[in-house]
Amino acid sequence: EDQVTQSPEALRLQEGESSSLNCSYTVSGLRGLFWYRQDPGKGPEFLFTLYSAGEEKEKERLKATLTKKESFLHITAPKPEDSATYLCAVQAGYKLSFGAGTTVTVRA
Amino acid sequence: NAGVTQTPKFQVLKTGQSMTLQCAQDMNHNSMYWYRQDPGMGLRLIYYSASEGTTDKGEVPNGYNVSRLNKREFSLRLESAAPSQTSVYFCASSGDTVYGYTFGSGTRLTVV
Repeated sequence: EDQVTQSPEALRLQEGESSSLNCSYTVSGLRGLFWYRQDPGKGPEFLFTLYSAGEEKEKERLKATLTKKESFLHITAPKPEDSATYLCAVQAGYKLSFGAGTTVTVRA
Repeated sequence: NAGVTQTPKFQVLKTGQSMTLQCAQDMNHNSMYWYRQDPGMGLRLIYYSASEGTTDKGEVPNGYNVSRLNKREFSLRLESAAPSQTSVYFCASSGDTVYGYTFGSGTRLTVV
């Protein structure tokens, strides 16, 4: 059974204080690893897809990396608008299996 | 705006009542999904439809039924609602996996 574990559950940062979120996974036949952002009361919003170990993707202050067992989402010099829950998901076949998420709060 | 539309946004049911959650996408995606989201448990797949005319069970299908009405629409039915089905329900669709899934804004369901 596919398993996705995210840590920490919650992260409180000062504006400008860089940090990383972890996503560890076990899956048979990984087709892709996805990162989503979810704001309160809204659906998840797609950020990145990573397909193979060593791959990296960047978008503004966010950078996602992938190894054979885990992925990291690095937040560089975060701003209050980066506050959200970040979800990691792995795809095997048609289905995405999600982690429980990391809720990031950035204080000004 | 293109995307996934879910109705209703909020619903309160009494135990034993039935209802259907509606979902429609206008992106010509083949695959559609229903997830529920509960605190601390992440998104769990209820049912999915890989293409028009097919449906399959996900991780937590008990108490639910689905219908893929056409390529655009995928509905979720609760025949006899139970308090354990209190949750936020999300519909999603996908075409090209490079861009992952596109999610609707969710239906917040409370069963009392």
